[in-house]
Parts: sequence; C-alpha cells; structure tokens
Amino acid sequence: QSVLSQPPSVSGTPGQRVTISCSGSNSNIGSNNLNWFQQLPGTAPKLLIENNNQRPSGVPDRFSGSRSATSASLAISGLQSEDEADYYCAAWDDSLNGLVFGGGTKLTVL
Amino acid sequence: EVQLVQSGAEVKKPGESLRISCQGSGYSFTTYHINWVRQMPGKGLEWMGRIHPGDSSTNYSPSFQGHVTFSADQSIRTAYLHWSSLQASDTAMYYCATNPGEDVWGQGTTVTVSS
Repeated sequence: QSVLSQPPSVSGTPGQRVTISCSGSNSNIGSNNLNWFQQLPGTAPKLLIENNNQRPSGVPDRFSGSRSATSASLAISGLQSEDEADYYCAAWDDSLNGLVFGGGTKLTVL
Repeated sequence: EVQLVQSGAEVKKPGESLRISCQGSGYSFTTYHINWVRQMPGKGLEWMGRIHPGDSSTNYSPSFQGHVTFSADQSIRTAYLHWSSLQASDTAMYYCATNPGEDVWGQGTTVTVSS
C-alpha cells in the first residue's frame, strides 16, 4: 500500500487528453512539492514535472502538472503512442522523513 | 555531462553479502544526496533512503532500515548500497539518483537472489 494513491491504469487514444491523479495527505503533498516521473518500458525513470507544475528542460509542453491541497494531477494532452509508460508521483513526507512514491499508473495508448 | 554509472548485474545466493556501486561524474559529487530506489519485478518504485557523500550522513526508509547500508567514497566519487545477508525478496532492480540542478538516474543494477 503506497502512501500516495494513484489509479493503476488509464488509457486514451492518440490526440486525446488524459489525466492521472495522485492523492496524499498533509504530511506529503499538503506540505511539500510534488514531482512526476515517467518510466518507459525497460528504462530508468525520468523526471517529467518538478515542484508541482514545472517542466524540466526538454519535456514537451503537452505535459502539465497541478496541485491542490493534498492532491495533484498530471495532464497529458495530444496523446502520442510514445507516451505509453508508467507514471509515478513522488513527494517528501514530513512524518516519515523520507520520499514517498505513488504506486504508479500505467498509461495505455489505444 | 552529469552522469551516474552503476555496477553490473549480480546473481547471488540467499545469505550472501553484496555491495553495488554508483559512480557520479560531471558535477560536485560531495554536494548532493545520492538516493537509492528499489523496483521489484513488475512493481513500482520504492525509496530506500539517501546518503550525503559530503559527510556520509544517511536517511533510511523504515522499510529498509537495518537491512541495507549506504556508504560513499569521495575519493572515487562512488556511492554504495550494501547487504550483509541477502534474501530472495531482495531480487529487484536498484537505481541510484541525484539532482545537482537536474534530475539524474543511474542505469540500474539488477540483483537476483536465488538458491
């Protein structure tokens, strides 16, 4: 059972917009910045969104993040086949004094 | 180029010890934490903890405290993850990661523990 809760899977068709939710608590998302990672099959995770809504250099603007209270969302617009991957949210947890990940969401592009 | 390069895949028996490594380059190694992340087969990411190579201070996730040890050697810019007694449940991919202004991950080290 992960500290941050994500849906196990989402799907969409090319060109569509999908969102992935991440739910936490006051000790993590409610107090600290949230990051999103993308993990393509067989590769190391890659930072997609940092500090709730900032895209690192090189990340397409099709990807966007938002945070409200103890929840966050990752939105992917103009869905492409290469977006098919696992997506993880992560935040520092003040109560656990450590980083916590969501359980991950598998995005399938139909 | 900022890079973390991890040691190669390992196959071990239960009860054996193991140390895997993560060598940093292209940044100030002693300034930024090295995080260790486990990914069991077909499962999600789990933060194991971190070490600050500058002073070797550590934070361990409660789930891993007492089962693994982090260390670092500044002279060769290398962080280590050590098990004194492996279990079959340690079979996983292990990543090191750091963020010296940009998020950088190692390529991962596969550890297989089987009798």
